[in-house]
Amino acid sequence: QAVLTQPSSLSASPGASASLTCTLRSGINIGTYRIYWYQQKPGSPPQYLLRYKSDSDKQQGSGVPSRFSGSKDASANAGILLISGLQSEDEADYYCMTWHSSAWVFGGGTKLTVL
Amino acid sequence: EVQLVESGGGLVQPGGSLRLSCAASGFTFSSYSMNWARQAPGKGLEWVSYISGSSNTIFYADSVKGRFTISRDNAKNSLYLQMNSLRAEDTAVYYCARGPPPPDSSGYADFWGQGTLVTVSS
Repeated sequence: QAVLTQPSSLSASPGASASLTCTLRSGINIGTYRIYWYQQKPGSPPQYLLRYKSDSDKQQGSGVPSRFSGSKDASANAGILLISGLQSEDEADYYCMTWHSSAWVFGGGTKLTVL
Repeated sequence: EVQLVESGGGLVQPGGSLRLSCAASGFTFSSYSMNWARQAPGKGLEWVSYISGSSNTIFYADSVKGRFTISRDNAKNSLYLQMNSLRAEDTAVYYCARGPPPPDSSGYADFWGQGTLVTVSS
């Protein structure tokens, strides 16, 4: 089982909010992990969005709008990227990442469609 | 302006070797950790290797351990990835990525280059 699991796709309407989940493998407690989020548009490298561990340990990437925010759902053992006020330019692939067993590990990515 | 420019990609036969370079500019290179990551065509991201600013801490993904070697030359503001015993599954765009600004020592990929394509095929 992969360390980080993301749904392969998600669709949402312009102006709405989208909640992208990143589930940590069973047996690994999300509470002790920082979850990092990246956005990648076709033909471009990934761009760092933010990281979240707790409300007291979080960081917004430079120039990243505040409508991108992070959180956790401890009951689901998952990190969450919330995008509010969706815009057409938010259509992209989104990857979560964490440091586990001396390695950076990526989730498989979620393709967000804004329509 | 921060810039990371990868080079050295190309077509190589299975079992062959290739050396990737990443030229950094716009920041104090020696103060930053660096990473290599890759992305196979149409697939997701995969981290490859990490090196600290002083080169005294290095990590590798299990998939490349023993075959790839990361290094850096702070005098030349350059990062390298020596890739040996290449396999078809190593075919990917390889990205050079900078770590976060000091004093953040977490080492995540804060800024990415445009990437260079490595194709392993006979």
